[in-house]
Amino acid sequence: AQSVAQPEDQVNVAEGNPLTVKCTYSVSGNPYLFWYVQYPNRGLQFLLKYITGDNLVKGSYGFEAEFNKSQTSFHLKKPSALVSDSALYFCAVRDRGGSYIPTFGRGTSLIVHP
Amino acid sequence: GAVVSQHPSWVICKSGTSVKIECRSLDFQATTMFWYRQFPKQSLMLMATSNEGSKATYEQGVEKDKFLINHASLTLSTLTVTSAHPEDSSFYICSASSLPTSGRTHEQFFGPGTRLTVL
Repeated sequence: AQSVAQPEDQVNVAEGNPLTVKCTYSVSGNPYLFWYVQYPNRGLQFLLKYITGDNLVKGSYGFEAEFNKSQTSFHLKKPSALVSDSALYFCAVRDRGGSYIPTFGRGTSLIVHP
Repeated sequence: GAVVSQHPSWVICKSGTSVKIECRSLDFQATTMFWYRQFPKQSLMLMATSNEGSKATYEQGVEKDKFLINHASLTLSTLTVTSAHPEDSSFYICSASSLPTSGRTHEQFFGPGTRLTVL
């Protein structure tokens, strides 16, 4: 079985400050991990993914995420937040040896204040 | 990245009518397409998975006779909400995967979503 948890419904951060959106996962084997962003009334846009290799993954719009196997985490980070980063963020996981259908977290609303 | 379109982007219909939503992969062949439903401020609920040329696999609790899914080609999947009722009002999102399911994975490419309102 695979599951993913986003423990925060909402994250508030001031513009220019670093941001972190948390994600932890559970899989039987090794994970594929993804982050997506959703703007109001829009579909999801892919941000980044971890498949294998370096634990630090860099993605679109200056976002990055670090795969931590011991903590089963894949937190999304950005050094300096922009107001335009305000959106809904989804983490997703897929067990490499399991179903090809990923499981999505419930989403975290990021609000960046001017 | 790959582009997925959905049509229409929004639709308003009367109770009892049927509504068809199209999902197209514009620049790649989608062997697998997914249909999701999203309620306000909630996560995605996977409704069904469809592979080109075969019947869709529905998630538990999703009525297959109400939500008809057809994946007739590698670039087109349709979701038809039959005899729609107000409780079917929601945001429907499709996504497509370009790679074979076995032993491979890549990100899904999402359509922009369709807002369905049933009066």
